[in-house]
Amino acid sequence: NAGVTQTPKFRILKIGQSMTLQCTQDMNHNYMYWYRQDPGMGLKLIYYSVGAGITDKGEVPNGYNVSRSTTEDFPLRLELAAPSQTSVYFCASSYLAGKGDEQFFGPGTRLTVL
Amino acid sequence: GENVEQHPSTLSVQEGDSAVIKCTYSDSASNYFPWYKQELGKRPQLIIDIRSNVGEKKDQRIAVTLNKTAKHFSLHITETQPEDSAVYFCAASNRPGGYNKLIFGAGTRLAVHP
Repeated sequence: NAGVTQTPKFRILKIGQSMTLQCTQDMNHNYMYWYRQDPGMGLKLIYYSVGAGITDKGEVPNGYNVSRSTTEDFPLRLELAAPSQTSVYFCASSYLAGKGDEQFFGPGTRLTVL
Repeated sequence: GENVEQHPSTLSVQEGDSAVIKCTYSDSASNYFPWYKQELGKRPQLIIDIRSNVGEKKDQRIAVTLNKTAKHFSLHITETQPEDSAVYFCAASNRPGGYNKLIFGAGTRLAVHP
């Protein structure tokens, strides 16, 4: 299993540009999450999904959108990028409730908005 | 909502010494408390977790204790080694709606000196 994979690894955007961060997991996990990690800080939940077609907001959803059309994929869309969105973005996945709580993280995407 | 505070923010120890990191949480309904280790430039990885029906859990050199009354939990690393150097994050969750909504602390940067 590749686990959780993310693309791209690095990206530089100009203010106002848009992009999609890709996340794929091959563990057949129902739950998927997007976090951002600012320098020297913990992880903040942006959006999460409990299954295909079901998504909901986390702690810091403004400026982002998500979709979940398949169990495997959970892309994160940034519209009108702003310098405040400069961060490292981690995607994670976990089993259904009752089958284990561990969240498995992807390698992250380092995004800089200039 | 839940808030997790983590102390200290940095910790420096000599190889072979013990290290203790403490976290407090605000939501008495929280019932799952994982600890993640993040090496420089890498993804967070679960090292140990504890549920609210258990007071202590140990895995080789790592242990976690939970005091539900005081709403705090701690990570204990004994016989520290240079490879323990990393940022450690605590988190708390109470499974609203069934998914594992983790609220992370800000992290502790542990440096183990040979």
